[in-house]
Amino acid sequence: QTVVTQEPSLSVSPGGTVTLTCGLSSASVSTSVYPSWYQQTPGQAPRTLIYRTDTRSSGVPDRFSGSILGNKAALTITGAQADDECDYYCVVNVGLGIWLFGGGTKLTVL
Amino acid sequence: EVQLVESGGGLVQPGGSLRLSCAASGFTFSSSWMHWVRQAPGKGLVWVSRISTDGSSATYADSVRGRFTISRDDAKNKLYLQMNNLRAEDTAVYYCARGRYGDYAWGQGTLVTVSS
Repeated sequence: QTVVTQEPSLSVSPGGTVTLTCGLSSASVSTSVYPSWYQQTPGQAPRTLIYRTDTRSSGVPDRFSGSILGNKAALTITGAQADDECDYYCVVNVGLGIWLFGGGTKLTVL
Repeated sequence: EVQLVESGGGLVQPGGSLRLSCAASGFTFSSSWMHWVRQAPGKGLVWVSRISTDGSSATYADSVRGRFTISRDDAKNKLYLQMNNLRAEDTAVYYCARGRYGDYAWGQGTLVTVSS
């Protein structure tokens, strides 16, 4: 059974840079699985940050960027701010119209 | 402005049924691929189902296949999720989302609680 892996938690200093990753248990993540990233604060609906690997959603600041690093998708936040402290999820298309989310990364800014 | 408003959630007993609706506005619904995503209390996001623009293709997560049915009514700009044989583990906030390649626009969600 395919699993999408994310770091359960990460921390970053204010103004610092952090990279979150999104992997597949059964294969490398490539652009062909359309990795996308979402941000969610408690009690709120998710917000789309990045889709199709590296396309920033409307209104998302350019300090959020997406890429492929090695065999994983990556979300890089540069110049971290206090309100970046929340949960981040990736999703990938594993084929046959099936999508899988990762378990999420809880980001702490301290 | 894209708007997605879910409704139909509530308390249902195990083994019961519920139909969720998602009213869409601010975009061409008939040209949009649509999804349902759920989130159990305190847990992460889980993709549930997706339907193509013409409704001819529907896919499901293993955990709901055979119990849930996604459908759409383009004349009413509405997306549906018929949920049968509900289990306690189906308890979650259910979000509808528009998009084909992860470029989701999200609704605010509706809570489904399965409990006796």
